[in-house]
Amino acid sequence: QKEVEQNSGPLSVPEGAIASLNCTYSDRVSQSFFWYRQYSGKSPELIMSIYSNGDKEDGRFTAQLNKASQYVSLLIRDSQPSDSATYLCAVKRSGGYQKVTFGTGTKLQVIP
Amino acid sequence: KAGVTQTPRYLIKTRGQQVTLSCSPISGHRSVSWYQQTPGQGLQFLFEYFSETQRNKGNFPGRFSGRQFSNSRSEMNVSTLELGDSALYLCASSWQGALTDTQYFGPGTRLTVL
Repeated sequence: QKEVEQNSGPLSVPEGAIASLNCTYSDRVSQSFFWYRQYSGKSPELIMSIYSNGDKEDGRFTAQLNKASQYVSLLIRDSQPSDSATYLCAVKRSGGYQKVTFGTGTKLQVIP
Repeated sequence: KAGVTQTPRYLIKTRGQQVTLSCSPISGHRSVSWYQQTPGQGLQFLFEYFSETQRNKGNFPGRFSGRQFSNSRSEMNVSTLELGDSALYLCASSWQGALTDTQYFGPGTRLTVL
């Protein structure tokens, strides 16, 4: 079982719709969760981080965390063609200074 | 504030050669991590340096090594290159590498091994 799992996609949504990206993780002591966006040929850039159960909203983005189910998701409202990219879920476990583990990413395509 | 910089941006080597990649973190950041990204494996953690010490290490062979200097700049070295080492090598810096510290990525070095 991979430490961080994401559906590779592509996930296709029409412009203006809500895109829902999901991520599961296997390590129960994971404590910090990050969503990165990576455009083709570019490096990852942070969209959101979340540390507590529940929802965290930032503009059109909402991150949702459920530690009991070991599940974190990212919702993108009013999807735009410029949101077309690969979204990487990243997890960091608690206990000292730990490495960040990334999922393989979900490719999102927003259709105009 | 300047971002993370990596040099060179592109590199072509042949099997058996060695290569050194450089990373300059954001000013004030002391933690530097290195990742290998390939289409099939995604982002794989290589190692992390903090205060000139390797603090974490991924599951890569000993051909992959790194170091960090007193100014937090870091280098990684790959010896005896193999075709499978062709990848995008990304460096990321954060303040201390703590639980909630955000990592900021550099533009990467694209290594092609022929």
